Amino acid sequence: SYELTQPPSLSVSPGQTATITCSGDKLGNKYAYWYQQRPGQSPVPVIYQDSERPSGIPERFSGSNSGNTATLTISGTQAVDEADYYCQAWDSNLEGVFGGGTRLTVL
Amino acid sequence: QITLKESGPTLVKPTQTLTLTCTFSGFSLNSNGEGVGWIRQPPGKALEWLALIFWDDDKLYSPSLQYRLTITKDTSKNQVVLAMTNMAPVDTATYYCVHRRGPARHYNWFDPWGRGTLVTVSS
Repeated sequence: SYELTQPPSLSVSPGQTATITCSGDKLGNKYAYWYQQRPGQSPVPVIYQDSERPSGIPERFSGSNSGNTATLTISGTQAVDEADYYCQAWDSNLEGVFGGGTRLTVL
Repeated sequence: QITLKESGPTLVKPTQTLTLTCTFSGFSLNSNGEGVGWIRQPPGKALEWLALIFWDDDKLYSPSLQYRLTITKDTSKNQVVLAMTNMAPVDTATYYCVHRRGPARHYNWFDPWGRGTLVTVSS
């Protein structure tokens, strides 16, 4: 089955840029999606179809996808961005796949 | 505004069948392009997609769980039901009901999510 790999954790200082990667075989040929999950809350989409932002998501969130890697970038990271981030894609067998998640710490 | 709410037992015994109901509002599952899915998350672990049902009754299942899962819809009640057979302690998780979006059925993303319901499997 298809697998997506994320780094387990990432730490950044407030105001810095956070870059979270998601790797999968020929992921660039699929759409990548990203979700933010704050502690005790349900996930919320922050990027869909590689680089689109849902309504209400701040402009500091951006995404890209090429080759085997999709990337979520948070520019000017704020304390409120501290959360778990999950990437998601659909494989050719119409199976939804999530990455293992990346815990972003802002300190 | 789209909302979804999960309901069902909080505790099931091993080997039992879990039945969860998602009651939604703000859209109709009779409308072209609409869909509702289920995703679970064991405590402290990652998200896992389970199943998805579309407006035309097409259904997708996680290959690793497909033999245990059944997803159905009742459009008159605005409900989607997920049944999972032969429950085991490893199935302990928060189960989320989700609204699907996307331009085609192999381009699905999920927004919004319900609040989730924690199901514990224990004797």
